[in-house]
Amino acid sequence: QVQLVESGGGVVQPGKSLRLSCAASGFTFSDYGMNWVRQAPGKGLEWVAVIWYDGSNKYYADSVKGRFTISRDNSKKTLYLQMNSLRAEDTAVYSCARYVTGGGYSTTFDSWGQGTLVTVSS
Amino acid sequence: QSVLTQPPSVSAAPGQKVTISCSGSSSNIGNYYVSWYQHLPGTAPKLLIYDNNKRPSGIPDRFSGSKSGTSATLGITGLQTGDEADYYCGTWDSSQSAGLFGGGTKLTVL
Repeated sequence: QVQLVESGGGVVQPGKSLRLSCAASGFTFSDYGMNWVRQAPGKGLEWVAVIWYDGSNKYYADSVKGRFTISRDNSKKTLYLQMNSLRAEDTAVYSCARYVTGGGYSTTFDSWGQGTLVTVSS
Repeated sequence: QSVLTQPPSVSAAPGQKVTISCSGSSSNIGNYYVSWYQHLPGTAPKLLIYDNNKRPSGIPDRFSGSKSGTSATLGITGLQTGDEADYYCGTWDSSQSAGLFGGGTKLTVL
């Protein structure tokens, strides 16, 4: 069965960096686009970024553009999110989510990980 | 403030029907498919509706979706206490080149 497992979260000071990983199993990772979605404490879902199946297209929410970078290693079946210049408002549970196709312009995610908590605090 | 507007909360009695609206614009709902998610605290969101009105395998037909112009609606009939959750609409936005979620609607089954 499809499994997505995030890791790399933790407590980090404002202005510092963190890299999240999402390990995929149970499907052909290189066939699917992948996304990061976050949920701040007491808030709703916020889409963060997407990368298409082959890495050819990447898009970001305005709130993270220029600070976060999404990438993938299809040989390792792993999705990444490099987060730089972190701010208190980036505190959230970050989840990876699989597109139903290799890419496209939608928010149709058929599988999600359980998430990893990132806390930005001094 | 989300670009996609949902009511913060809705409620209805068990067995009744409820609808949740999602209002956007021509740069998002007006030109892209809408999806709907059910989110229970501590669990992963579950895809309920995609491409405006399609249900993934395993989602009962009590859940339905529709879209008209720049608005979309999720309908739930035969409400059960287990339907109490947060519900989110989502779509793409061409002006931001980004995915969007609505602010979420908390469903209470009285």
